[in-house]
Amino acid sequence: GAVVSQHPSWVICKSGTSVKIECRSLDFQATTMFWYRQFPKQSLMLMATSNEGSKATYEQGVEKDKFLINHASLTLSTLTVTSAHPEDSSFYICSATNAMGGSEKLFFGSGTQLSVL
Amino acid sequence: GENVEQHPSTLSVQEGDSAVIKCTYSDSASNYFPWYKQELGKRPQLIIDIRSNVGEKKDQRIAVTLNKTAKHFSLHITETQPEDSAVYFCAALGNQFYFGTGTSLTVIP
Repeated sequence: GAVVSQHPSWVICKSGTSVKIECRSLDFQATTMFWYRQFPKQSLMLMATSNEGSKATYEQGVEKDKFLINHASLTLSTLTVTSAHPEDSSFYICSATNAMGGSEKLFFGSGTQLSVL
Repeated sequence: GENVEQHPSTLSVQEGDSAVIKCTYSDSASNYFPWYKQELGKRPQLIIDIRSNVGEKKDQRIAVTLNKTAKHFSLHITETQPEDSAVYFCAALGNQFYFGTGTSLTVIP
């Protein structure tokens, strides 16, 4: 199946710093990528939908100036957590849909555990 | 918008028994229903999916049933094994994906 690579898998940072998370589709073109936040043993909370070449669409309650999303190519989307604070600590996961294989199946990245001190 | 509910939130079964997880959805326009298995700290993995024009689909020990009229779909795992222990999520695709709240399944050896 299609592979989505997400880096870093784990990051610890000081409060006030910014953290960038990358999501790459390795063997397919992803017209749409999604970013989620997940708390332990809870479901995926969609943060934003990212379409290549256009601005991301954010879900209600998600600050677009805090969670900057860039989807500059069909294989790469980035999420930058700006001025991170301890309450931003969470597991962040991206997913992508395969433009060539139809838009139904979602392929997930391996996730990034962010800990803000 | 869509609202996906999932039950139960936790489920423990003895090895070899069956496990059933149910989801309901509200948007009749939803037409694709995948199930994901997620182990702790790892990415969700698609284990089975069903489209709205099909009532049942089976893949070895895993099956999914869909009742469009009642707007619910279920995951069935037979002959459960300890490695089936994980969190399972249902989802419904309408204009976007909506995820259920997850079921933590524990298979007791």
